[in-house]
Amino acid sequence: SQQGEEDPQALSIQEGENATMNCSYKTSINNLQWYRQNSGRGLVHLILIRSNEREKHSGRLRVTLDTSKKSSSLLITASRAADTASYFCATDNTGNQFYFGTGTSLTVIP
Amino acid sequence: DAMVIQNPRYQVTQFGKPVTLSCSQTLNHNVMYWYQQKSSQAPKLLFHYYDKDFNNEADTPDNFQSRRPNTSFCFLDIRSPGLGDAAMYLCATSRDYRAEPQHFGDGTRLSIL
Repeated sequence: SQQGEEDPQALSIQEGENATMNCSYKTSINNLQWYRQNSGRGLVHLILIRSNEREKHSGRLRVTLDTSKKSSSLLITASRAADTASYFCATDNTGNQFYFGTGTSLTVIP
Repeated sequence: DAMVIQNPRYQVTQFGKPVTLSCSQTLNHNVMYWYQQKSSQAPKLLFHYYDKDFNNEADTPDNFQSRRPNTSFCFLDIRSPGLGDAAMYLCATSRDYRAEPQHFGDGTRLSIL
């Protein structure tokens, strides 16, 4: 598959805990983006990280990028029930292609 | 609020009967995208427009066509829907292609009878 692979496929945590999800991809990228999708809704952009960046923060979100390992991680700190959603990474690769990863389904238990 | 609007939210059509899905945006973005998303899968890019320039993904079936009559509107036409075309169809926009966040509508869920 040309898509990124996300790990784990599903994650269930208690409210207040941190959630970490990982994305691995296959080809060189220009940037990588993370999106959230609530059930039955469209995707919402969370963070964009460029290939020359290693870490980015936005509120309770922290994204890292390791281009040598072709991987990225999304950390959500102090999770809330409202964070329950599917999370997708998306890669914009140097071959002019744009792919979403397979997604991680996060459930935060109140 | 500026946004991306897709109509209808739910569409039912018959096998082989042409169907059109619509998308409008008030963001004045240059790029509009159409994605297909099947249950529990990643969105798959079908095609995109940069202004009036149309770009088809290599593996998008010929059964899928698109029109963008102006900056604000974009349409997805499925000429002869098959059972395998049942999916959520998502429209998105961005200011520029690449390195820009995409703004999504809430999708149209297409069912085929």
